[in-house]
Amino acid sequence: QVVLTQSPSASASLGASVNLTCTLSTGHSNFAIAWHQQQPEKGPRFLMKFNSDGSHIRGDGIPDRFSGSSSGAERYLTISSLQSEDEADYYCQSWGSGIVFGGGTKLTVL
Amino acid sequence: QVHLVESGGGLAKPGGSLRLSCATSGFTFSDYYMTWIRQAPGKGLEWVSYISSSGNTISYADSVKGRFTISRDSAKNSLYLQMNSLRAEDTAVYFCARVGSGAGYYMDVWGKGTAVTV
Repeated sequence: QVVLTQSPSASASLGASVNLTCTLSTGHSNFAIAWHQQQPEKGPRFLMKFNSDGSHIRGDGIPDRFSGSSSGAERYLTISSLQSEDEADYYCQSWGSGIVFGGGTKLTVL
Repeated sequence: QVHLVESGGGLAKPGGSLRLSCATSGFTFSDYYMTWIRQAPGKGLEWVSYISSSGNTISYADSVKGRFTISRDSAKNSLYLQMNSLRAEDTAVYFCARVGSGAGYYMDVWGKGTAVTV
């Protein structure tokens, strides 16, 4: 089963850019993932599905400040022009025999 | 606009049962796989179960297998989760989510959740 690893926390300044990383376990470097955002006290929101070939599906209403990229087993979510409402938990997610989530990264906007 | 609204959460005793419902609108329910995801207090997201558009394919996380049953009613555009033999570790907010129409099992629409305390 694929395992997804995320750093527990990240921070960046208002107006800056930040890269969040999701690492796929060995043998799963070609897997697609999805990114979800969870603002405080809210349900998650789908940001995008990102395939290893770089193609992606963005969620409804998600601004292009949110973009995805990859390198080998790493999947990146880049958020540019950070806004205060971007302060949230970000989860990567994939699938195999079931559905799996990374542990989430808590993003603080300074 | 697509909406998913969970209900049925509450307080249950260990060994007890609860039935969660998810009312959907704004899309053709019978065309989509659906899932339940949960989040224990202060913890991350954990997949619970999914069901295919026809209801013929069902899968559960090992943590709930044999205790929880997912089902759907296309006439009512609703998804359900019957939770039996509840344990303290089942305490969580339970989210209903739609599986996207592209390849793979990714959730493209989420509800706001219903809280279960055991």
